[in-house]
Amino acid sequence: GAGVSQTPSNKVTEKGKYVELRCDPISGHTALYWYRQSLGQGPEFLIYFQGTGAADDSGLPNDRFFAVRPEGSVSTLKIQRTERGDSAVYLCASSRGLANEQFFGPGTRLTVL
Amino acid sequence: GIQVEQSPPDLILQEGANSTLRCNFSDSVNNLQWFHQNPWGQLINLFYIPSGTKQNGRLSATTVATERYSLLYISSSQTTDSGVYFCVVRSGDTGNQFYFGTGTSLTVIP
Repeated sequence: GAGVSQTPSNKVTEKGKYVELRCDPISGHTALYWYRQSLGQGPEFLIYFQGTGAADDSGLPNDRFFAVRPEGSVSTLKIQRTERGDSAVYLCASSRGLANEQFFGPGTRLTVL
Repeated sequence: GIQVEQSPPDLILQEGANSTLRCNFSDSVNNLQWFHQNPWGQLINLFYIPSGTKQNGRLSATTVATERYSLLYISSSQTTDSGVYFCVVRSGDTGNQFYFGTGTSLTVIP
């Protein structure tokens, strides 16, 4: 595709539920990043993939958060037992490599009621 | 991690005015980008500029890596320039994370 796409654009769920957020990077980009942006704040790094492996997951807030990228392209961010504090916009970005320019998707707005 | 401070935090301009946004970072970096987050939340690439100077239309940017700062210049501002401007850096010395700056919120009034 022409750019990074994310689905769904909006997700409303209830506290305690499980959610999956999907990111489709730009074709040919080997690096993929997830960020979280809370209202009025700048994005915060969550996890970075180089190919299929998570090269750095130090930004994941706790073990309820997990992300995969099984074929080195599409990635899924998974959140278990959602809490109201998880409400935020989840942003995905991709780049040709770690040292290259990142391009961001439109984000998924997650609301936990 | 790297501390990334941007100034000013807020800026209001009359349409047509010029401005300079600054990004200071606490450690050496090998990757620096400027983004504009529009009112709909989309992050738009402005510059990939780990060092040197670049220009694109009314915008230009300079990074002085040895002194750990970058500047974004906006000339002849337009209302569509409104939004939040972020500087994002990465240091190869302290892991693979990218660090967003504190942001500058720009409002251009007609």
